[in-house]
Parts: sequence; C-alpha cells; structure tokens
Amino acid sequence: EVKLVESGGGLVQPGRSLKLSCAASGFSFNDYWMGWVRQAPGKGLEWIGEINQDSSTINYTPSLKDKFTISRDNAQNTLYLQMSKLGSEDTAIYYCARDGDGGYVMDAWGQGASVTVSS
Amino acid sequence: DTVLTQSPALAVSPGERVTISCRASESVSTLMHWYQQKPGQQPTLLIYLASNLESGVPARFSGSGSGTDFTLTIDPVEADDTATYYCQQSWNDPWTFGGGTKLELK
Repeated sequence: EVKLVESGGGLVQPGRSLKLSCAASGFSFNDYWMGWVRQAPGKGLEWIGEINQDSSTINYTPSLKDKFTISRDNAQNTLYLQMSKLGSEDTAIYYCARDGDGGYVMDAWGQGASVTVSS
Repeated sequence: DTVLTQSPALAVSPGERVTISCRASESVSTLMHWYQQKPGQQPTLLIYLASNLESGVPARFSGSGSGTDFTLTIDPVEADDTATYYCQQSWNDPWTFGGGTKLELK
C-alpha cells in the first residue's frame, strides 16, 4: 500500500521558517518524481512544485520559488519542503504527492500537514 | 500560467447524470486530470489524461475532452459523491488547478 505521511506542521510566527517532511512507504521512492500542493482554509488547491528522482531537476510555481525549497533524501524515503519568510498567506494544509508513472499526474497523496502563520 | 475555469457548484439528485466542466485558457492537449476531495480529506485521483479511469475508481466516473474543453461525468450520481471536484493540467508549467466544483446532492 502506498503511504505518504507529512509531519512538521504547526503554529509559526510571521517571518520565521518551517520545514515539513513527508515519509513515503509502500513503493520504490527513488523511482518517482514527488511534489507538494497546498490548500488555504476554504480555498482550492495550489501546486507548489516537484522534484525528480535524483534531485537534479526541481520545478516550482513562480510565485513561490524564492521562499520555498523542495528536497529529498532517497536513503530515508523522505521528501522535504523548506519554507522561509512565512506570512499569513502561507497558512494552509500542505500535501505531499507522488507523481505517477510518466510523471504527469499526482496519483497518491498524503493526509496533509497543517501550517498556521500567526503571531 | 494556464487558468482553469470551473463552475463553482452544482446540485443534483441521486440517480441523475451530472457533467462538470473545466475550460483552459490555452491548450493543454490531453494532460488534464480530475480529483475528488471530500470534506476534511486529501484529494484522490479519479481520471488522468482526460479520459483514463484511475484504478479502483467506479466506472460511474468518466472523462472526456482535449485542447481547452474538458468534462467529468458521473452517471449515475450516488450520495457518496458529495465532494469538491478539481481539474488539473500538467501540459504547461507551472501545473495549475481549477477552482473546484462543489457537488451537492438534493
């Protein structure tokens, strides 16, 4: 069974940083592109970006490229999202997702990590 | 960025046929996908590459379209289909989602 479990969410003050993790199991992690999607309260889904199998290619949505960094550790089967200079607009549930065979669609999702940016 | 436009909400009765539309601001070929999100849950993949049913998804769900106009059809609708449905394109960078269509059962 494919399983993705996010962790590291919580309450963070404006301007601070936070790093989320996503532990993967049930599939060969180092064979897949992986990505992050977020959802602000009561809003729709926003694609953050993705990373390829050996971390040589990382794509971001342009508006978030300067404050978010995606990385992975294939030995630990873990995906990361480093977020910096957080503002209230970054309050959201953050989902990690697997890009399925071909790398064009997100075919498995974690349950999400909640991040609240507030003083 | 490629903008995907969906109707905000629909209300149908169980047993009826419903179509949910998604229009792209530019061509996305057939790299359009559909997700279902129930309240408090993560999204799940229903349809990929416009018309391919994801494994384990009931055959009541189907997708069609290419270029800029796409539809998700549920026939017949069941009570358990109450959810928000999102289209998403992966033809143009960055990937983008539609705003979602909230399906309610009468």
